[in-house]
Amino acid sequence: AQSVAQPEDQVNVAEGNPLTVKCTYSVSGNPYLFWYVQYPNRGLQFLLKYITGDNLVKGSYGFEAEFNKSQTSFHLKKPSALVSDSALYFCAVRDLQTGANNLFFGTGTRLTVIP
Amino acid sequence: EPEVTQTPSHQVTQMGQEVILRCVPISNHLYFYWYRQILGQKVEFLVSFYNNEISEKSEIFDDQFSVERPDGSNFTLKIRSTKLEDSAMYFCASSGTGVVETQYFGPGTRLLVL
Repeated sequence: AQSVAQPEDQVNVAEGNPLTVKCTYSVSGNPYLFWYVQYPNRGLQFLLKYITGDNLVKGSYGFEAEFNKSQTSFHLKKPSALVSDSALYFCAVRDLQTGANNLFFGTGTRLTVIP
Repeated sequence: EPEVTQTPSHQVTQMGQEVILRCVPISNHLYFYWYRQILGQKVEFLVSFYNNEISEKSEIFDDQFSVERPDGSNFTLKIRSTKLEDSAMYFCASSGTGVVETQYFGPGTRLLVL
C-alpha cells in the first residue's frame, strides 16, 4: 500500500534562512514524487516532481527537493526563505507499479516564514 | 497559462439534498480527477476518469457519488444524497496522457452540508 508521511505539522523559519519540509514515502514499486503548495483559499499548486534521474529536482519559486531512495525520503528545500513562502505544503506519491494515476498525499506541513 | 476552474466556489446544502460540483479541466487534458479534503485532514483521492469512463476509484467513492463529462469541456461530480460527513473541500484536477503527467488542480469547491 502507498503512503506518505510528513512528520512535522508546522515548520517555522526566519526570513532569509534555509528551509526544509520533510517527507517520507512507502510504495511497492518505484515512486513518482510530487510537492504541491496550498495558499489560503486557493487550490493546490504544483511545485516540482521526481520521476527518475538526478536525485536533486528543481522546481518553481526557487524550491528544490532531494530524492533519497535508501531513506525513502523526498524533502523539500529552499536556500533562503521568503515571507511569501508561508503556506501549506503537501507531498504526494504515485506508485508506478500499480499503474494507477491517483496521488496519495501526506497530511501537509504548514510553513511559516517569520520576518 | 491554462488553469482548471471550478464552480461554485462555495455550496451550502441540506442533508439529503443532491449537489453537483462542476469543473472545467485544462483543454488538452484527457485525464480528470476528483479529490476531497475534509477540514484539517489530508487530500484524498476519490475518482479518476478517462475516455468517458471511470478508470480508478477509492473506497470513499460509493454509490452516492457519480461523475460525468456532459459535454466537451465540463466534468462534474454529483453527490446524490448528501450527508454531514460530505462537508469538505472538493478539488478537481486534470492531466495529460503521458507516462507521468503532472496533475493540475482547480481552486476547489467548499461544500457544507447542514
